[in-house]
Amino acid sequence: RKEVEQDPGPFNVPEGATVAFNCTYSNSASQSFFWYRQDCRKEPKLLMSVYSSGNEDGRFTAQLNRASQYISLLIRDSKLSDSATYLCVASTGTASKLTFGTGTRLQVTL
Amino acid sequence: EAQVTQNPRYLITVTGKKLTVTCSQNMNHEYMSWYRQDPGLGLRQIYYSMNVEVTDKGDVPEGYKVSRKEKRNFPLILESPSPNQTSLYFCASSLFGGRENGYTFGSGTRLTVV
Repeated sequence: RKEVEQDPGPFNVPEGATVAFNCTYSNSASQSFFWYRQDCRKEPKLLMSVYSSGNEDGRFTAQLNRASQYISLLIRDSKLSDSATYLCVASTGTASKLTFGTGTRLQVTL
Repeated sequence: EAQVTQNPRYLITVTGKKLTVTCSQNMNHEYMSWYRQDPGLGLRQIYYSMNVEVTDKGDVPEGYKVSRKEKRNFPLILESPSPNQTSLYFCASSLFGGRENGYTFGSGTRLTVV
């Protein structure tokens, strides 16, 4: 079983739609969580950190459920420019070792 | 501009020929890390460093070496590359080890070993 699991997609949604990505992690010692965005053949870029209290950044909302070891990302009013792969990441230990999910591909269409 | 710089961007080499991929950051970050990305496997950590002269193995360290003699540089060394090391490699750095603001990644090095 992978340490961080995501639905690979692809998710094909029309512009303006709301889309939700889910992610589960197996290591209960994981301390910090993030969503990264990766465009094709480019480097991953931090989208947002994920907190137990939930956090929102514009059209993006992230949630963490430690009891269920579950992380989510909600994108409202999808734009064409949101098309990318979204990586769920768990951080563990004093050296903050990052474990990446394999990513969920999103394609927003007209 | 704050950034992580990797070189080269693309490299094709032959089996067994030693190579080094350089990584440099200008943000005075303490934490640096190397990842490889393969289809279906995602990003996997090769080595990481918490500070100068402090390095440790990640998930897939076999066949790789690193050094951290200066804070800004963290080169990845392949002493005897093999075809299974063909991959997309990313260097990344962070001030707080990813706990607060995540990691900043370099643009990647696409390595092909024939």
